[in-house]
Amino acid sequence: DAGVTQSPTHLIKTRGQQVTLRCSPKSGHDTVSWYQQALGQGPQFIFQYYEEEERQRGNFPDRFSGHQFPNYSSELNVNALLLGDSALYLCASSFQSSSYNEQFFGPGTRLTVL
Amino acid sequence: GNSVTQMEGPVTLSEEAFLTINCTYTATGYPSLFWYVQYPGEGLQLLLKATKADDKGSNKGFEATYRKETTSFHLEKGSVQVSDSAVYFCALRSRAGGTSYGKLTFGQGTILTVHP
Repeated sequence: DAGVTQSPTHLIKTRGQQVTLRCSPKSGHDTVSWYQQALGQGPQFIFQYYEEEERQRGNFPDRFSGHQFPNYSSELNVNALLLGDSALYLCASSFQSSSYNEQFFGPGTRLTVL
Repeated sequence: GNSVTQMEGPVTLSEEAFLTINCTYTATGYPSLFWYVQYPGEGLQLLLKATKADDKGSNKGFEATYRKETTSFHLEKGSVQVSDSAVYFCALRSRAGGTSYGKLTFGQGTILTVHP
């Protein structure tokens, strides 16, 4: 059983560009959350998708947007990249209807903005 | 709002030493509490959890007890190994209101290095 997978592993972009990161949830999971982890910091919640809709959002600007597809996979899009967007982006999946709703994390995508 | 504060690191120990990493939290309602571990180059793995006051989470020799009166969830291990070297994150998930359901709030992380 594959766990949460993310692509690409690493990405280098320049300021002002746009980027799309992808996440496939663990089999049987229907909810996807995205987190940003700056170097030396704990992950910060960006948003969560369930039933193809953004259900909850953290304190991130509108440059950060996402999408969830009918197969529950998800994309994170960041427009007009800033140097400060350089971070490890983590995707976590969970099953909404479980009593515990544990989140399983992928290995992350390392984004470097030059 | 919710917040998690961990003891500042890094923490450096010799193998078989006793480990404590302090974690305190601020949250509305009755949060669930977690410890996650991150090995170099990897994502986060759930280490242990506790969902209500006085619960003790345990896994791989690590333990943490949910203390509502002191709003704490300190991580302990009686005898650390070199393979325990990693970054440890304390986190909470509030159950106060449906809109916060699922969101994890993390501490800043504590780097643990264990020497042979």
